[in-house]
Amino acid sequence: NAGVTQTPKFQVLKTGQSMTLQCAQDMNHNSMYWYRQDPGMGLRLIYYSASEGTTDKGEVPNGYNVSRLNKREFSLRLESAAPSQTSVYFCASSLIAGKPNEQFFGPGTRLTVL
Amino acid sequence: LAKTTQPISMDSYEGQEVNITCSHNNIATNDYITWYQQFPSQGPRFIIQGYKTKVTNEVASLFIPADRKSSTLSLPRVSLSDTAVYYCLVGFMNYGGSQGNLIFGKGTKLSVKP
Repeated sequence: NAGVTQTPKFQVLKTGQSMTLQCAQDMNHNSMYWYRQDPGMGLRLIYYSASEGTTDKGEVPNGYNVSRLNKREFSLRLESAAPSQTSVYFCASSLIAGKPNEQFFGPGTRLTVL
Repeated sequence: LAKTTQPISMDSYEGQEVNITCSHNNIATNDYITWYQQFPSQGPRFIIQGYKTKVTNEVASLFIPADRKSSTLSLPRVSLSDTAVYYCLVGFMNYGGSQGNLIFGKGTKLSVKP
């Protein structure tokens, strides 16, 4: 099992460009999440999908959109990138039963917006 | 959402036991206490979770007093490879629902020296 995979690993954008970050998990998890992590900071939740077909805003949703394409895939879209969105983006998934707060994280996407 | 407070940094030496305490005065009845570990350029990794008293697994122990207003992560006999940032989280992700959230603070940066 690959766990949680993210593409791309690195990306450089110009201000105003758009892009979609892809995330997939092969653990049959119900819930998926997108976080951002800025230097020296903890992770902040952008959006999450508690189950297939639902999405909800997290702590910092402005400037982002998400799509839960199916149970495996959860994408994050930046419609018009801004320098303030320069960050490392992590996708995570979880299966609530048993350990309600155990999330499995992907390797991250390092995004720079010029 | 319960806010957590933990030390910004800690130093230790190889072979020592390390205890990181987290305070969460307004923890709710349904909240679990969860600890994650993060190495540079990687996503966080689940370490341990508990609700009350003591929980032990192959890598750590978690001590939770009766009032649950604090918790202590104990790492026995640390090695250089335990150098990482440790996050204490309090919350509850409801299965299949939209309630619940987890907040990652800035964490505790543990440095283990030879």
